[in-house]
Amino acid sequence: GAGVSQSPSNKVTEKGKDVELRCDPISGHTALYWYRQSLGQGLEFLIYFQGNSAPDKSGLPSDRFSAERTGGSVSTLTIQRTQQEDSAVYLCASSLGNLGDSPLHFGNGTRLTVT
Amino acid sequence: GESVGLHLPTLSVQEGDNSIINCAYSNSASDYFIWYKQESGKGPQFIIDIRSNMDKRQGQRVTVLLNKTVKHLSLQIAATQPGDSAVYFCAEKLGSSSYKLIFGSGTRLLVRP
Repeated sequence: GAGVSQSPSNKVTEKGKDVELRCDPISGHTALYWYRQSLGQGLEFLIYFQGNSAPDKSGLPSDRFSAERTGGSVSTLTIQRTQQEDSAVYLCASSLGNLGDSPLHFGNGTRLTVT
Repeated sequence: GESVGLHLPTLSVQEGDNSIINCAYSNSASDYFIWYKQESGKGPQFIIDIRSNMDKRQGQRVTVLLNKTVKHLSLQIAATQPGDSAVYFCAEKLGSSSYKLIFGSGTRLLVRP
């Protein structure tokens, strides 16, 4: 079956530009997560969506980062005025139900390079 | 996703041998644990999970052991194959009301032919 789909797979942008990253979760999965993976570091939680509840944005590193989830399905992560330290792999994951009842399933990520 | 880090702990095993990857977790209230495998250029792939009310769970060629007394988790891979070469992450959920996974820093497994 189809897994979590992320686009683009690679993005190179100039410092100061805005970027949008897209995630299509597994159909029927109500929970959606964004994580960031920097070289030399583990996975860092960014944001969590569950159904129609207000998202948990506590992991977003600055107000340049925002995310939306439309219609309980597709999500976009937007980074405004990108900085070189934003360079990382941005991973999206979805889950069928509550964590603990079902695991997170990850996409292959978007590798963002800010020059 | 990129394989993480230039200074990951590395486990090197001979093809056909058994591998044991260890993880120390941080929080005694953690109630759910997952092992993920990450190959270069890909996202983390679910391997096996275990709830805190269990000590052991087996899958196909993999076994996860949980020792809550010392907050230790291990992943055993039987008859390790070249395709098992990857970075392995353990992750914990910090209690019944949490919905976040907290990831460890990863271990690189290299399988020698």
